[in-house]
Amino acid sequence: SSELTQDPAVSVALGQTVRITCQGDSLRNYDANWYQQKPGQAPVLVIFGKNNRPSGIPDRFSGSSSGDTASLTITGAQAEDEADYYCNSRDTSGKHLVFGGGTKLTVL
Amino acid sequence: EVQLVESGGGLVQPGRSLRLSCAASGFTFDNYAMHWVRQTPGKGLEWVSGINWNSGTIGYADSVKGRFTISRDNAKNSLYMQMNSLRAEDTALYYCVKDRMLAVAGFFEIWGQGTMVTVSS
Repeated sequence: SSELTQDPAVSVALGQTVRITCQGDSLRNYDANWYQQKPGQAPVLVIFGKNNRPSGIPDRFSGSSSGDTASLTITGAQAEDEADYYCNSRDTSGKHLVFGGGTKLTVL
Repeated sequence: EVQLVESGGGLVQPGRSLRLSCAASGFTFDNYAMHWVRQTPGKGLEWVSGINWNSGTIGYADSVKGRFTISRDNAKNSLYMQMNSLRAEDTALYYCVKDRMLAVAGFFEIWGQGTMVTVSS
């Protein structure tokens, strides 16, 4: 089982705001990164570090954290945002990298 | 254009070996750490191994430690994974991934398209 826990599925109405969470003890000491994966495609980094977006990622994507929980927020979700979202960070030992189980986002 | 192209996957019997390769282009390869990340069909992602820019720091997931060996050849802009004693549970799509950092930081910035490994008798 993963040391990072994500809700399996979340839905959001088109144009509304959605928060996807990632919970784990290691997040008290390490930042989470976020990836978007669409069917049949490789994952894409959307947020890294505290709240940094790689070039080309829309500014409707943002990251935050509090205590043992990191969050990815999509403000004004678009149809093309429908995808699986994964968080990653280090485990509690700091020695290994781990992923959350993923959240399937449906845009209604 | 930054590109990672994996090769070497295939069907292999349990207990046998396989070597994956990843050819990198479009960036200064020896300025970045590299990783292998795998994904079981229809399931989630699992970090397998990472290597820093000069091979001085290497890490493995507990599930593969002692069986898999990661290496890189900066002169050839290539990353490798030697996989021994393969098990059915190693069946997955294996991605070659570029980090944003010199160190094994876990910022998985660029992903290849993956090479499929199937372990079955």
